[in-house]
Amino acid sequence: SQQGEEDPQALSIQEGENATMNCSYKTSINNLQWYRQNSGRGLVHLILIRSNEREKHSGRLRVTLDTSKKSSSLLITASRAADTASYFCATEVGGGADGLTFGKGTHLIIQP
Amino acid sequence: DSGVTQTPKHLITATGQRVTLRCSPRSGDLSVYWYQQSLDQGLQFLIQYYNGEERAKGNILERFSAQQFPDLHSELNLSSLELGDSALYFCASSLRQDDQPQHFGDGTRLSIL
Repeated sequence: SQQGEEDPQALSIQEGENATMNCSYKTSINNLQWYRQNSGRGLVHLILIRSNEREKHSGRLRVTLDTSKKSSSLLITASRAADTASYFCATEVGGGADGLTFGKGTHLIIQP
Repeated sequence: DSGVTQTPKHLITATGQRVTLRCSPRSGDLSVYWYQQSLDQGLQFLIQYYNGEERAKGNILERFSAQQFPDLHSELNLSSLELGDSALYFCASSLRQDDQPQHFGDGTRLSIL
């Protein structure tokens, strides 16, 4: 079953602009992770944010987590053509008993 | 390169057949996970092994089974294949059993004719 739901489903922006993707989930979590997937390839881990954290940065990526609203956002600043990919949020409940539960993803297209 | 190796990259077979997918985790990782990605179901967690023992089970059909060997590589066995089993099958690994980033292989694309 899908726990996370990303919004929007698809996003097309110009190179250099910022891209924001949102994720909502339903149950209490241990952590929330964001992954990138280029077409037909494996997923690449971007950021893991734990339930007691509110914000994390990694290079041009900024992730926020609001556990009261059960939502997270991923911001990519100064986008590049190479950022074109699908982005997934995934949640892990306490103890990892259910593996990762993925949303359906946001397909991001960066126009040169 | 994630360090996770999956073989084969592609598999084409017929309904009713049995196949084995193989995964070598990143060096040092003790946990191995299997996921299925299809257009209609998205990414679904199938099963997790930690240091040779089954640790968590997700939406894995009874026709599917897996194991992790002493050298930590894992195999996913799919039997009595149906058209609906056509999908990308990913293996991922992590250092510990939970609360860790997972590192994904490039997947095995299974096509059932």
